[in-house]
Amino acid sequence: EAGVTQFPSHSVIEKGQTVTLRCDPISGHDNLYWYRRVMGKEIKFLLHFVKESKQDESGMPNNRFLAERTGGTYSTLKVQPAELEDSGVYFCASSQVRTHAYFGPGTRLTVL
Amino acid sequence: KQEVTQIPAALSVPEGENLVLNCSFTDSAIYNLQWFRQDPGKGLTSLLLIQSSQREQTSGRLNASLDKSSGRSTLYIAASQPGDSATYLCAVLYNNNDMRFGAGTRLTVKP
Repeated sequence: EAGVTQFPSHSVIEKGQTVTLRCDPISGHDNLYWYRRVMGKEIKFLLHFVKESKQDESGMPNNRFLAERTGGTYSTLKVQPAELEDSGVYFCASSQVRTHAYFGPGTRLTVL
Repeated sequence: KQEVTQIPAALSVPEGENLVLNCSFTDSAIYNLQWFRQDPGKGLTSLLLIQSSQREQTSGRLNASLDKSSGRSTLYIAASQPGDSATYLCAVLYNNNDMRFGAGTRLTVKP
């Protein structure tokens, strides 16, 4: 069974550009979480989907971040326009209801 | 507010020592707690998961305990090795399905 996958693994963009990160959860997992780790800081929660619905998006830093989960399958996280402080590693995780959370390898975003 | 705290932030020990990492959480309405390790530039590797009804879980040289009433979990690493050097994170899954991480403990095991 395939694990959680994220694309791309690395992204280098210039300030002001747009980047879209993708997460494919484990098939059948209703819960999908986005987190990010900015350099030297802790992993911060961004948002939580249950199927296609946003259960909790309290961690989204501002309206430059937009997350979607089409049909309750894969999810995208768009940053538009990107700022320098958005650089970091973005992790996605999925789980069945209240079970192990499985994490993807992360996308390393560098904004120049 | 659902906060997760890890102490210490960093720890350096000589090879062979036993050590304990601490995780505390403010909201006791947890469903489970997971310990992860993160190696530099890599993703998260799940080490142990403890359900809220359990007191401890063991895997090899690792032992994780959970005291829900006091809001604490510990990760015990026996006979530490240089390969154990990494950042260790605890994550709490709450009953409302939200999951929160601690800031992590950066462990260095010196040969």
